[in-house]
Amino acid sequence: DTEVTQTPKHLVMGMTNKKSLKCEQHMGHRAMYWYKQKAKKPPELMFVYSYEKLSINESVPSRFSPECPNSSLLNLHLHALQPEDSALYLCASSQDLGRTNEKLFFGSGTQLSVL
Amino acid sequence: GDSVTQMEGPVTLSEEAFLTINCTYTATGYPSLFWYVQYPGEGLQLLLKATKADDKGSNKGFEATYRKETTSFHLEKGSVQVSDSAVYFCALSYQAGTALIFGKGTTLSVSS
Repeated sequence: DTEVTQTPKHLVMGMTNKKSLKCEQHMGHRAMYWYKQKAKKPPELMFVYSYEKLSINESVPSRFSPECPNSSLLNLHLHALQPEDSALYLCASSQDLGRTNEKLFFGSGTQLSVL
Repeated sequence: GDSVTQMEGPVTLSEEAFLTINCTYTATGYPSLFWYVQYPGEGLQLLLKATKADDKGSNKGFEATYRKETTSFHLEKGSVQVSDSAVYFCALSYQAGTALIFGKGTTLSVSS
C-alpha cells in the first residue's frame, strides 16, 4: 500500500462552521505534512509532524489546528475560516524527516470552499 | 535564501514534440533535486530525483541531470504525449529536518 488517503475530497463550509480534514497512510512513514495549494500555485507548507510530534509550523493562523493521533493518521481541524482560506489542502508523508533525499507521497487533496 | 526558479508557462506542444522545462536553483551546500508532477484534480507525484552532481534522474521517458556548475536541473522528454499534460514542479531539499522548497510550477499542455 503506497497510498495517502484524504477525506473528504470536497468540503464546503461556512465561516462559523467547525470541520476536520483527515489523512491516513499505512506505509510506516514517520513524517506527515499538511500543505495548502491555491490554484496555479505551488504547495505551501503548513505543518510537519515527525514521530507524531509537531516539528514545523509555518506561522499558520490558529484557525487551523493540526493533530496527529497516531503514526498513521493526521487531522487538520478547521474553525472560523475566511473565504481566502479556500484552497486545495494536501496531505503528504515520507519515511523520515531526517534526510534531504526523502520522497514525499501526496494524497489527492481536499478541495475546500469557505463561503 | 534557498530558492528554485522555473520557466514561466504555460508550455503548449504538439504530440511527439521535444520538451524542455528549465529549472535553476540557489542553495548553500549540496541539495537534493526533484521534479514532481500534478495531473488535473490530483496531488503531486514524484517524477524523478537526483541527489548529487552529475546524477541523472529518469522516469517514464523524462530525464533531468543535476548540473552543479550551472545550478540547473532541466526536465526533458524526447516525445511528449497528450497524457503528459500536467503541472510540473521543480523542488529542492537542502537540509535534513526541513521540508521541500518548490518552484512556481510550469503548466504543460500537449495537443494531438
